[in-house]
Amino acid sequence: GENVEQHPSTLSVQEGDSAVIKCTYSDSASNYFPWYKQELGKRPQLIIDIRSNVGEKKDQRIAVTLNKTAKHFSLHITETQPEDSAVYFCAASMPGNTPLVFGKGTRLSVIA
Amino acid sequence: DGGITQSPKYLFRKEGQNVTLSCEQNLNHDAMYWYRQDPGQGLRLIYYSQIVNDFQKGDIAEGYSVSREKKESFPLTVTSAQKNPTAFYLCASSIGGSVNTEAFFGQGTRLTVV
Repeated sequence: GENVEQHPSTLSVQEGDSAVIKCTYSDSASNYFPWYKQELGKRPQLIIDIRSNVGEKKDQRIAVTLNKTAKHFSLHITETQPEDSAVYFCAASMPGNTPLVFGKGTRLSVIA
Repeated sequence: DGGITQSPKYLFRKEGQNVTLSCEQNLNHDAMYWYRQDPGQGLRLIYYSQIVNDFQKGDIAEGYSVSREKKESFPLTVTSAQKNPTAFYLCASSIGGSVNTEAFFGQGTRLTVV
């Protein structure tokens, strides 16, 4: 089955700097790659997703890149703000609406 | 107000007892999922259901059971066979069908064995 590795497990950045979180997946058949943000004590919420027919997607300060050949995808957050502090999860799923397989998460701290 | 609702928010269980966690959605989603979250472990899949009256085991199904008698509901029972049940449990749903789509999560149930 699919396996998703996520790095780093913790990340601290100064406010205004950029943050990058990286994930790799094992099954080349995976075609959907969402990123979720989970604030303390709350539910995970989708912040951006990308499909395998696209190499990059942006939404304001957030971007995701996908390298199908290398089987890795990354989340980029620019101009970080304290409210970006949370745990971020990457995930992957294969065709047929199979369940998402999640990475272990990255705890991002933005220091004011 | 559409969404996915889990209850209760906090649950305490004595050793040897079965407990059932509720998950209800009014999003008209076909697919529903149960994940377990432990610190540093990410979200691990317990069970999922892509259609009413059908469900499949996930990666850590041992000690758990589910039912899917109605489209809106996907309750999870944590049985006494689950040796380490203390965790945060998240239910999710998605539209279903052939195209992968966003999974929407409930607010979670924190289960503690006392």
